[in-house]
Amino acid sequence: SAVISQKPSRDICQRGTSLTIQCQVDSQVTMMFWYRQQPGQSLTLIATANQGSEATYESGFVIDKFPISRPNLTFSTLTVSNMSPEDSSIYLCSVERPGAYTEAFFGQGTRLTVV
Amino acid sequence: GNSVTQMEGPVTLSEEAFLTINCTYTATGYPSLFWYVQYPGEGLQLLLKATKADDKGSNKGFEATYRKETTSFHLEKGSVQVSDSAVYFCALEREYGNKLVFGAGTILRVKS
Repeated sequence: SAVISQKPSRDICQRGTSLTIQCQVDSQVTMMFWYRQQPGQSLTLIATANQGSEATYESGFVIDKFPISRPNLTFSTLTVSNMSPEDSSIYLCSVERPGAYTEAFFGQGTRLTVV
Repeated sequence: GNSVTQMEGPVTLSEEAFLTINCTYTATGYPSLFWYVQYPGEGLQLLLKATKADDKGSNKGFEATYRKETTSFHLEKGSVQVSDSAVYFCALEREYGNKLVFGAGTILRVKS
């Protein structure tokens, strides 16, 4: 299995500010994924973070709003920029299981509240 | 496109009752199918999976069978426990590399 650590676990932020969420994995992985879980809703994929190249964003998500870094095979960050109350969600980092491509592991998530 | 539809919750059962949570999907090709569980205060965990038609995934007394003909992957357990109280998500793998499409989630509450 893969152990994923996310920081911070939760935060309350003022609108107009930005928050960077960190995701650290205990083993090297090719792809890391960032999801958003809005209150009472399911998880939606924001983007795929690939080491050595730009992140690939899903429809409805843009780099200016959610810049992503992937400096190495065990770490990624997601920044939520110029926040508004609509950005209040749980943000989750996910990785594929090393050596097997049909199982994903998730971090515990970052609960963000924008006031 | 790809989508997953789950029965709405919350589902409230008494301990030892039989559980079914319905899940149907729409997808191109034959995706892998998953059930994930989110216990209170914890992260998402894989509960079970099936990678091809007629496969049965099972774990912790839960089972789900990949039914291509009905495009379904219903979750069942013969006797639920209070500790099974959680949110259950049905998901499909959109393409190679774990791009998952999730259903809306079903809250399960088990009373003692």
